[in-house]
Amino acid sequence: EVNLVESGGGLVQPGRSLRLSCLTSGFAFADYPMNWVRQTPGKGLEWIGFIRTKDFAGTTMYAPSVRGRFTISRDDSKNIVHLQMNSLRAEDTAVYYCTRDAHTGTSDVWGQGTTVTVSS
Amino acid sequence: DIQLTQSPSTLSASVGDRGTITCRASQNINSWLAWYQQKPGKPPKLLIYKASNLEDGVPSRFSGSGSETEFTLTISGLQPDDFATYYCQQNSNYPYTFGQGTKLEIK
Repeated sequence: EVNLVESGGGLVQPGRSLRLSCLTSGFAFADYPMNWVRQTPGKGLEWIGFIRTKDFAGTTMYAPSVRGRFTISRDDSKNIVHLQMNSLRAEDTAVYYCTRDAHTGTSDVWGQGTTVTVSS
Repeated sequence: DIQLTQSPSTLSASVGDRGTITCRASQNINSWLAWYQQKPGKPPKLLIYKASNLEDGVPSRFSGSGSETEFTLTISGLQPDDFATYYCQQNSNYPYTFGQGTKLEIK
């Protein structure tokens, strides 16, 4: 069974950092790009960014709202993808999902999400 | 960024009805559009990719159509399990963007 499990969410003060992790199982992780998507009641679903496979040098793309503050990385030996979030702002408060990317940018498998709250 | 506008925001329908949701893109995205279903407290679930391709395991009462800037998700013969919120997403240009969602509720 394909499974994605996010962890690392919590309450953090503005300006601080947090690292989310997504542990995967049940599929050939190294063969898939991976996305991060977040959701808030106010702004709905927002694609944050993704990381390509090693075949494409593991390059990344980010949404403008997080570019320069967030970094996605992957460890194919551990089937895990990370989201490093720096300089957090109140507007980064959301449920964060990692997703498997199939069909070129489409998320065919989603984790259950982890909640990040940025507040003093 | 490409803006996606879904209509209606809320759709009230009965079991057995046909439900139709529209997604309009602010520029040509060819067929790079996906549809997702989300229920409260759960992550979204992929229904349709590349505008009209049914994801494995999704019931055939779901169908997608359209291209360029106008797309439609149709649910033929609504079932109780179909009452949820639906989102479109474009994966033509970065940043990928989502529509604001359509809540399908029981009339």
